[in-house]
Amino acid sequence: EAGVAQSPRYKIIEKRQSVAFWCNPISGHATLYWYQQILGQGPKLLIQFQNNGVVDDSQLPKDRFSAERLKGVDSTLKIQPAKLEDSAVYLCASSRQQGDANVLTFGAGSRLTVL
Amino acid sequence: GIQVEQSPPDLILQEGANSTLRCNFSDSVNNLQWFHQNPWGQLINLFYIPSGTKQNGRLSATTVATERYSLLYISSSQTTDSGVYFCAVLKAGANNLFFGTGTRLTVIP
Repeated sequence: EAGVAQSPRYKIIEKRQSVAFWCNPISGHATLYWYQQILGQGPKLLIQFQNNGVVDDSQLPKDRFSAERLKGVDSTLKIQPAKLEDSAVYLCASSRQQGDANVLTFGAGSRLTVL
Repeated sequence: GIQVEQSPPDLILQEGANSTLRCNFSDSVNNLQWFHQNPWGQLINLFYIPSGTKQNGRLSATTVATERYSLLYISSSQTTDSGVYFCAVLKAGANNLFFGTGTRLTVIP
């Protein structure tokens, strides 16, 4: 099966600019996750979708970050305006189901550098 | 929230050596997964192992849920094993995985 697709792979912007990342999960995977991974740290969940509904966005900085999964398939994560501390890799993952038995498959990530 | 500690933080091995990576967690979990992040940043799921022991080639993992730890064994290490190994857990009642701080493994030829 095709993996989790993400784009762009790399993005460099100046602070206060905006950026958007796109993710297409594995076909049939109902649950989609966006993680932020800062250099030297483990991934941290930003938002989790089940189909097109939000399950958990408690760690999403909502004053500048937004995400949507309108048709329950692909998803977009937006940052506006970007800050220096947003420099990180943004990882998208999907799983067939949520909860105890979910096994996550990750995309290659989108590396953001904010200057 | 749940605490997930991995040890050692860094490990350097000669090719062919064996190693054990440890993951300790502070609360009951219903799901535990081990991931390998290669030098290009790709995270690959190695094991889904909430309890018991599993083996896949040169890798094996054991989780003792009652004592709140998991171990990842790498035998006959190869340079391609280099990267960061993450343990991730799902706390009982939670919706999503929480990642540990990782163990960075470097295998030298």
